[in-house]
Amino acid sequence: DSGVTQTPKHLITATGQRVTLRCSPRSGDLSVYWYQQSLDQGLQFLIQYYNGEERAKGNILERFSAQQFPDLHSELNLSSLELGDSALYFCASSPTGGSDTEAFFGQGTRLTVV
Amino acid sequence: GENVEQHPSTLSVQEGDSAVIKCTYSDSASNYFPWYKQELGKRPQLIIDIRSNVGEKKDQRIAVTLNKTAKHFSLHITETQPEDSAVYFCAASRSTGFQKLVFGTGTRLLVSP
Repeated sequence: DSGVTQTPKHLITATGQRVTLRCSPRSGDLSVYWYQQSLDQGLQFLIQYYNGEERAKGNILERFSAQQFPDLHSELNLSSLELGDSALYFCASSPTGGSDTEAFFGQGTRLTVV
Repeated sequence: GENVEQHPSTLSVQEGDSAVIKCTYSDSASNYFPWYKQELGKRPQLIIDIRSNVGEKKDQRIAVTLNKTAKHFSLHITETQPEDSAVYFCAASRSTGFQKLVFGTGTRLLVSP
């Protein structure tokens, strides 16, 4: 157990819908990262937050948004869902915002868009 | 931006053989290179990392080498065991500031008994 909690574990929804994925980082970690892993693909960086502020952005679609709350949990919002958005979405956390420390991954949320 | 290429995409070896996975990166300012292992249906977990001030690092059967001139780093697993079967991801980033960790596309390693 990495200490990073993601909910829900599985999510099935229809095209055009909107979903929210939730992540609770390890106790004491200030930085949260979101990654997308499509079938047989690598880990695509979406976005990073540090202590409530956006710090780095990857190839995140405009239909996707995220935020980190004062209690440091984070939410990833996916809207106008398409079939191609089906993927495993990972959240990771680290103690600082620097990327030279270990990132601890949650178990992921498997999103299926039908 | 940073781009990390990883080869091979799949690797099959016999138990006891060595396995080598190679990555190249594009950002010459990158100086932190971790490797993550993802077992089937599980989350990625860090297995070893190296910083640019060293050329090689070992941890039991696992070693990582770095060639900054060539912008190339490799993972070496010796005496492979069936439990080494997993997908391995390399990654690269700058260690200063809030720089994103960029992953390679992964190598599926299968160790046959």
